[in-house]
Amino acid sequence: QVQLHESGPGLVRPSETLSLTCTVSGDSITDSYWSWIRQPPGKGLECIGYIYYSGTTNYNPSLKSRVTLSTDTSKNQFSLRLTSVTAADTAVYYCVRALSAYGARGRWFDSWGRGTLVTVSS
Amino acid sequence: EIVMTQSPATLSVSPGERATLSCRASQSVTNILAWSSQSVYNNLAWYQQKPGQAPSLLIYDASTRATGIPPRFSGSGSGTEFTLTISSLQSEDFAVYYCQQYYDWPYTFGQGTKLEIK
Repeated sequence: QVQLHESGPGLVRPSETLSLTCTVSGDSITDSYWSWIRQPPGKGLECIGYIYYSGTTNYNPSLKSRVTLSTDTSKNQFSLRLTSVTAADTAVYYCVRALSAYGARGRWFDSWGRGTLVTVSS
Repeated sequence: EIVMTQSPATLSVSPGERATLSCRASQSVTNILAWSSQSVYNNLAWYQQKPGQAPSLLIYDASTRATGIPPRFSGSGSGTEFTLTISSLQSEDFAVYYCQQYYDWPYTFGQGTKLEIK
């Protein structure tokens, strides 16, 4: 069974860069697509982007200028980098496996990490 | 961006009763499969989120239950209108439910329906 675990700082200063890493076990990151999803406290879910180990990425247009996703196949990890953060970026960040099927136009999210709260504050 | 709208925002139901949750997309999220005009794919998933936990997948393709999901959970619908039905509510089913479209990027979620004990 696949397991995902987010790691990174829980507090980031405004205008600085948020960096998170997801460690995957039970599946190779070369076998699936991987995504980051965030949820501000008490609010709904927002897709940040997804990545395939080959380098294929897709970013939410609302965040595209500030987001970079990357993979490290040697460590079976993928990472999120979000620059120039503000208080609006305060959220629980989830790393997620994204699956698809023949006939589908996109992907659903079948396995989620527990999430990590990142607070943007001075 | 496709906007997903869920209703009601809060649903109060007694244990053992049926719950029906709705999800509407601002445009169709169903595609016709090229090899058969009779076959379609509904790019719609449902998730359950309990307090302090990550969401968990219930249903994809609008009606296919994920691994380990009990049959009391069922999904239906096509085009822009979708429904999640829980046939006989158990205590562990009281949670927030989200629908998600994966027809177009960015994939978007509804704002959620909170299912609470009546």
